Amino acid sequence: EPEVTQTPSHQVTQMGQEVILRCVPISNHLYFYWYRQILGQKVEFLVSFYNNEISEKSEIFDDQFSVERPDGSNFTLKIRSTKLEDSAMYFCASSEALGWGGEAFFGQGTRLTVV
Amino acid sequence: GESVGLHLPTLSVQEGDNSIINCAYSNSASDYFIWYKQESGKGPQFIIDIRSNMDKRQGQRVTVLLNKTVKHLSLQIAATQPGDSAVYFCAEKIIGGYSTLTFGKGTMLLVSP
Repeated sequence: EPEVTQTPSHQVTQMGQEVILRCVPISNHLYFYWYRQILGQKVEFLVSFYNNEISEKSEIFDDQFSVERPDGSNFTLKIRSTKLEDSAMYFCASSEALGWGGEAFFGQGTRLTVV
Repeated sequence: GESVGLHLPTLSVQEGDNSIINCAYSNSASDYFIWYKQESGKGPQFIIDIRSNMDKRQGQRVTVLLNKTVKHLSLQIAATQPGDSAVYFCAEKIIGGYSTLTFGKGTMLLVSP
C-alpha cells in the first residue's frame, strides 16, 4: 500500500539552528501538507502546497518556515532558526484531491527536539 | 480560543464491548468530516469519513454519525479489540478551495483484554 514517508524520524537541534524535515508524498497525489503536534495536544495545520506554491498557511507558519518541492518526489519543511517552542511532531500529509474522498494520508512524523 | 492541555479525555472499555467516541466540531460551514486513529509514535491514520449530506456512514466495524444541528460527530466501534487502543481525532474541512483539516482535541481509547 502506498504511504507517505518522512525522514528523519527524530531530529535534535540546538536553538537557533536551521532544520529541514523531509517527506516523500504518495506518488499520484497532488496536494501536500505539513501539520504539527505538540506533545499531548491536537494536530495543527501549518501549510498546504499545490502546483508548486503555497495554497494556504496558518498563523503558526511565519517567516521562519518555508516549504519546497525540490524535485518530483520530495517535499520539505525548513525552519530557519529554531526556537524551543518548535519542539513537536511534524507530520507530512498528501491527498489526491480536495473534495469528497480526498482524505489526507499522513506520514509517521518527525519528532523535532530543540534544545 | 479552545483550550488544550496534556490530558486527553479517555474512554476505557473491555475487549468485545462497543465503543462510542464523541466529537464536537467548530465550524458550521464544514461539510466533510473524517475520523483518524493515532497510535503511539505514529501519524494519524484514516478510519472513515462522512459528508454533511449524510447522517450515518458505516465501514468495517465502525460507524460514524453526524448531527449537524448540534455540530456533533460520533464514532462507534463494534466489538472493540486491544488493537483499537489509540487516540481518536475527528477532523473537519470545507470541500473545495484549499480548505484544510481542522482537528479536534482527541480521545484516548483504552481497550482491556
